[in-house]
Amino acid sequence: GQNIDQPTEMTATEGAIVQINCTYQTSGFNGLFWYQQHAGEAPTFLSYNVLDGLEEKGRFSSFLSRSKGYSYLLLKELQMKDSASYLCAVRSARYGGYQKVTFGIGTKLQVIP
Amino acid sequence: DTAVSQTPKYLVTQMGNDKSIKCEQNLGHDTMYWYKQDSKKFLKIMFSYNNKELIINETVPNRFSPKSPDKAHLNLHINSLELGDSAVYFCASSPWTGIENYNSPLHFGNGTRLTVT
Repeated sequence: GQNIDQPTEMTATEGAIVQINCTYQTSGFNGLFWYQQHAGEAPTFLSYNVLDGLEEKGRFSSFLSRSKGYSYLLLKELQMKDSASYLCAVRSARYGGYQKVTFGIGTKLQVIP
Repeated sequence: DTAVSQTPKYLVTQMGNDKSIKCEQNLGHDTMYWYKQDSKKFLKIMFSYNNKELIINETVPNRFSPKSPDKAHLNLHINSLELGDSAVYFCASSPWTGIENYNSPLHFGNGTRLTVT
């Protein structure tokens, strides 16, 4: 089975940096995604990691340690529009070569002035 | 251009009714999914189809029956609706995950908010 853990809520100040952690346990690990979901909207893709290390994309960075089953999403220079839920999702290989993407509960981030 | 579109956006119905949600993608993807997001915002996979073939069925009640007439469409029919079926249902698609598509994410539709009264 799969188990993905992330904090349910976080609060951070506009202009600051926030780190959202995600730990996972899975067999057949084949990559980790971070998605952003604003209230009432669809999840949108932010980043993907399959190798250990840091991937940087503008104000957002994502880190992966496969040996520790750990990832984090780093958001810099926080803006009010960054208030949203951030979903950690793990892709795992299944029989027949098919892939399955499982989501964590999501971390609701509130950015305050 | 709409990439993944699902209809209707809102669906309000009574217990016991049968309803369908439609999904279409114009991205040329081989794989399509249905996810359910409950009131606690937990996004849980229900079904996955690859090129019209069912490849994932996550212990969903038999009242839920997906149908994929072609690889661009994946519809969801729900029989005998129950109160607990109230949720937002998201359709998604992705390329077949080969070497060239290894980092391809899921592309989500805008969701169908189902309310069963």
